[in-house]
Amino acid sequence: QKEVEQNSGPLSVPEGAIASLNCTYSDRVSQSFFWYRQYSGKSPELIMSIYSNGDKEDGRFTAQLNKASQYVSLLIRDSQPSDSATYLCAVGAGSYQLTFGKGTKLSVIP
Amino acid sequence: DADVTQTPRNRITKTGKRIMLECSQTKGHDRMYWYRQDPGLGLRLIYYSFDVKDINKGEISDGYSVSRQAQAKFSLSLESAIPNQTALYFCATSDLNVQDTQYFGPGTRLTVL
Repeated sequence: QKEVEQNSGPLSVPEGAIASLNCTYSDRVSQSFFWYRQYSGKSPELIMSIYSNGDKEDGRFTAQLNKASQYVSLLIRDSQPSDSATYLCAVGAGSYQLTFGKGTKLSVIP
Repeated sequence: DADVTQTPRNRITKTGKRIMLECSQTKGHDRMYWYRQDPGLGLRLIYYSFDVKDINKGEISDGYSVSRQAQAKFSLSLESAIPNQTALYFCATSDLNVQDTQYFGPGTRLTVL
């Protein structure tokens, strides 16, 4: 059974701070890793993908992957109230199916 | 215009009724998926299709059926709806050339009374 674990939160950070979201996965052959943002009642929106060990930056977002530790994280710099949402970690093994974590709820306090 | 559309967006129905949820996409993707999302349980895969002739069961297919009418259309049916099928339903698509990346439609909120 493939598992993706996330801390459910809520994670509260002040506006302007760095938010750090973490995810671990069980399937060692996983090849692709994604972060989705989901506002309440809305659909998941892809914000980052990462396939290789190390860091990948896109604007205020940085995804970090460590396959040896089976760990992927998302850093959000200069957090804004509009970043308040649930963040879903998703992991793929190259079979075009994804396993999703249950999400971490982030609250950015003005 | 949205790349992935779902109809209806909201539906309230009664136990025992047959319901069809529809998904259309203009992204040109081959792969399409149906998920349901419940509070505390996350996203769970119901069915997926890699092309018109390829339909596969996901994690929770019991009580559901699907039809892939064309590359761009993938429908989910509840033959006899029951209250524990009350959930948010999402359609998603992916491109065979972009490994595993999935894009979601806006969702359908289904309530079964």
